[in-house]
Amino acid sequence: KNEVEQSPQNLTAQEGEFITINCSYSVGISALHWLQQHPGGGIVSLFMLSSGKKKHGRLIATINIQEKHSSLHITASHPRDSAVYICAPRTGNQFYFGTGTSLTVIP
Amino acid sequence: DGGITQSPKYLFRKEGQNVTLSCEQNLNHDAMYWYRQDPGQGLRLIYYSQIVNDFQKGDIAEGYSVSREKKESFPLTVTSAQKNPTAFYLCASKRGLRTLPEESYGYTFGSGTRLTVV
Repeated sequence: KNEVEQSPQNLTAQEGEFITINCSYSVGISALHWLQQHPGGGIVSLFMLSSGKKKHGRLIATINIQEKHSSLHITASHPRDSAVYICAPRTGNQFYFGTGTSLTVIP
Repeated sequence: DGGITQSPKYLFRKEGQNVTLSCEQNLNHDAMYWYRQDPGQGLRLIYYSQIVNDFQKGDIAEGYSVSREKKESFPLTVTSAQKNPTAFYLCASKRGLRTLPEESYGYTFGSGTRLTVV
């Protein structure tokens, strides 16, 4: 059983579209991270949140602790947003990683 | 600029050989982590270290060894006992020994090493 489920697994969008990636988890957590993995493999931490909503530029992350669900939204998507987005709930030092959502944004 | 350096980016080794992956950070972070990623799977924890000269096994430590002789370095050795060593290996670090305020960041990830054993 996976502790973390992401949907969709693959997503293709036209440039400019609004994108939503969903994450559901079954474990109790202290925080949840959204990570971005580029084709070369390097990972960037986009957000860490434990409640509510955070916004960085065109990226918005929300979390509902009671429902054990988080979403990552990308407004006005751009080809440079093409990457794998990984949901990673965390308890203390223990991460639970989703398998990722592969996003391709077409010009 | 501060960050984590993993080298090399791509590594090829013959089956049965031990290989050591480098992870260096100049962030003055206390904790360091090694993860493994296989196609279609999430990252899995191999080993972590919260302080120099101390480290703990993660979920899939068998066939791996680590050392933490210096704060800035946490090398991972993939031994010949590791049955399926071909994978993407990611190093991460985190500042602070105690739990940080939850709204703060603190985790930094390296760019990874892709190991292929032939």
